[in-house]
Amino acid sequence: GAVVSQHPSRVICKSGTSVKIECRSLDFQATTMFWYRQFPKQSLMLMATSNEGSKATYEQGVEKDKFLINHASLTLSTLTVTSAHPEDSSFYICSARRPGLAGASEQFFGPGTRLTVL
Amino acid sequence: ELKVEQNPLFLSMQEGKNYTIYCNYSTTSDRLYWYRQDPGKSLESLFVLLSNGAVKQEGRLMASLDTKARLSTLHITAAVHDLSATYFCAVDMEFGNEKLTFGTGTRLTIIP
Repeated sequence: GAVVSQHPSRVICKSGTSVKIECRSLDFQATTMFWYRQFPKQSLMLMATSNEGSKATYEQGVEKDKFLINHASLTLSTLTVTSAHPEDSSFYICSARRPGLAGASEQFFGPGTRLTVL
Repeated sequence: ELKVEQNPLFLSMQEGKNYTIYCNYSTTSDRLYWYRQDPGKSLESLFVLLSNGAVKQEGRLMASLDTKARLSTLHITAAVHDLSATYFCAVDMEFGNEKLTFGTGTRLTIIP
């Protein structure tokens, strides 16, 4: 169990266009999902926390108007990169939190989406 | 601001050897995670360490947590080529919120 999917796995778009990335928890309900970005050969940086039924919480320095997050159901969160530019090219990874025993929940990561903006 | 540092950043070792990757973090936390990432792939969960003194082992990998020293280690025993990957530790920034701060990563290359 605990499978998280992302779609698409790769996307190439022109500068100025918008791209939507979907993150789904396939076999559990996730009230909280997280969005990360990873530049080549670097670590993961948390962009925002996505909460079902409420507004996302963005980390400092992340533009909420540029990276729109919608957590419409307990199994789906979407990240829309608006007016994409080449500097937005990155590997975007989502994770979904599954509550565990004794409060020890765990995050399960999606396979990632590689965005290339030309 | 929570900082998580790993040491070394790069590690090249021969098959059959033992080595340890270190993960230091700057503020109090009692939840630490280890992940593996293969090139072009996402993260694979290896270990979840939830208390001081926790030790977990899976195959040739063993992870431990010392919350007083703010240190976790990932020990590799008798390395094999399949263990080549980048390893990340991650610390729970805020208890209950599950916001993870990732370490810098250690790129491990096992040489036959």
